[in-house]
Amino acid sequence: DAMVIQNPRYQVTQFGKPVTLSCSQTLNHNVMYWYQQKSSQAPKLLFHYYDKDFNNEADTPDNFQSRRPNTSFCFLDIRSPGLGDAAMYLCATSRAAIYNEQFFGPGTRLTVL
Amino acid sequence: AQSVTQPDIHITVSEGASLELRCNYSYGATPYLFWYVQSPGQGLQLLLKYFSGDTLVQGIKGFEAEFKRSQSSFNLRKPSVHWSDAAEYFCAVDNTGNQFYFGTGTSLTVIP
Repeated sequence: DAMVIQNPRYQVTQFGKPVTLSCSQTLNHNVMYWYQQKSSQAPKLLFHYYDKDFNNEADTPDNFQSRRPNTSFCFLDIRSPGLGDAAMYLCATSRAAIYNEQFFGPGTRLTVL
Repeated sequence: AQSVTQPDIHITVSEGASLELRCNYSYGATPYLFWYVQSPGQGLQLLLKYFSGDTLVQGIKGFEAEFKRSQSSFNLRKPSVHWSDAAEYFCAVDNTGNQFYFGTGTSLTVIP
């Protein structure tokens, strides 16, 4: 089945230690998104790629970076995780950037010690 | 400012009872509307969507939603709730073609 896959499902890191979260998709969608979701809150968009074009949200901290080496993969890099970065990170895809439903992966739960 | 409001933070219903989750949006034009469900520790799953046409849309798992332009609402309904429906429900709006605006979510508890 076509799907959005996130690895790992659970990630534990130490304060200030860089961490990378991975997302892959078999849907062949053009757009990939990264969301941060804290407990009992709505997902918050960090950035998205339309093909190779990177679009950063204005309030996304510089501590968060992303890479999309090809259509299938997208990575979220947190350069120096703080305690406030502990959250669920959701990857999503859509066929196009305009009025298309988004398909979500299962998420990666990040814990910062 | 554009916004999506889900007035009910938490709802408790008995199994077999009917359910309605409210969603209101503030936009000038008719946006694209979505309902997603999120089980604990999981990603979001699309229940249904409205783009145009018939204002009553059917989704998966027996859910339906009705778009009411006059009320700027897109409420989610289910005639008979099952215990497995316990989850977090998010209404989302896409009016710009560039970003989803999520509501703050409604947590549903189902009691036997």
